[in-house]
Amino acid sequence: NAGVTQTPKFQVLKTGQSMTLQCAQDMNHNSMYWYRQDPGMGLRLIYYSASEGTTDKGEVPNGYNVSRLNKREFSLRLESAAPSQTSVYFCASSEMDEQFFGPGTRLTVL
Amino acid sequence: GQQVMQIPQYQHVQEGEDFTTYCNSSTTLSNIQWYKQRPGGHPVFLIQLVKSGEVKKQKRLTFQFGEAKKNSSLHITATQTTDVGTYFCAGPVAGDSWGKLQFGAGTQVVVTP
Repeated sequence: NAGVTQTPKFQVLKTGQSMTLQCAQDMNHNSMYWYRQDPGMGLRLIYYSASEGTTDKGEVPNGYNVSRLNKREFSLRLESAAPSQTSVYFCASSEMDEQFFGPGTRLTVL
Repeated sequence: GQQVMQIPQYQHVQEGEDFTTYCNSSTTLSNIQWYKQRPGGHPVFLIQLVKSGEVKKQKRLTFQFGEAKKNSSLHITATQTTDVGTYFCAGPVAGDSWGKLQFGAGTQVVVTP
């Protein structure tokens, strides 16, 4: 089992560019999450999906959109990247209790 | 809104020493989870505490859930270089039934050999 996978690992964007971060899990979990991690601020929830076909906003959703393509995949889209979105992005999945995290995407917006 | 606070933010420890990091919630929690993130890595689940006053041990790590279920602590005995990383506590978001967690900002642990 690969667990939770994320692509890409690193990305550099210019302000205004768009991109999609991909996440997939092979643990048959219903819930999936997107977090961003900034120094000194822990993990902040961007969006989550309780099950296939449902998504909802977390603590910091502005500037992001998500798609729960199927039970395995949950993507995060930045439509018009801003320097404030420079961060490390983690995808996670769970079946109610512990969350399993992917390796992360380190995004820099210039 | 619900807040989860961790202290200290940074902890420098000499190898072999003990230390404790604390987690405090503004609301009563149904459970609390602890995660460890190694430098450059991703958070990895360590443990979940559910009962008031619960104490669990994992080798040199001792986790405690407060009687009021609003605070928790992690105590590491005889710190080793393998303990380097950031330790996060997390509690369920109040009123949520979908597994959302509120994470603390973490305690970054640096071990000096």
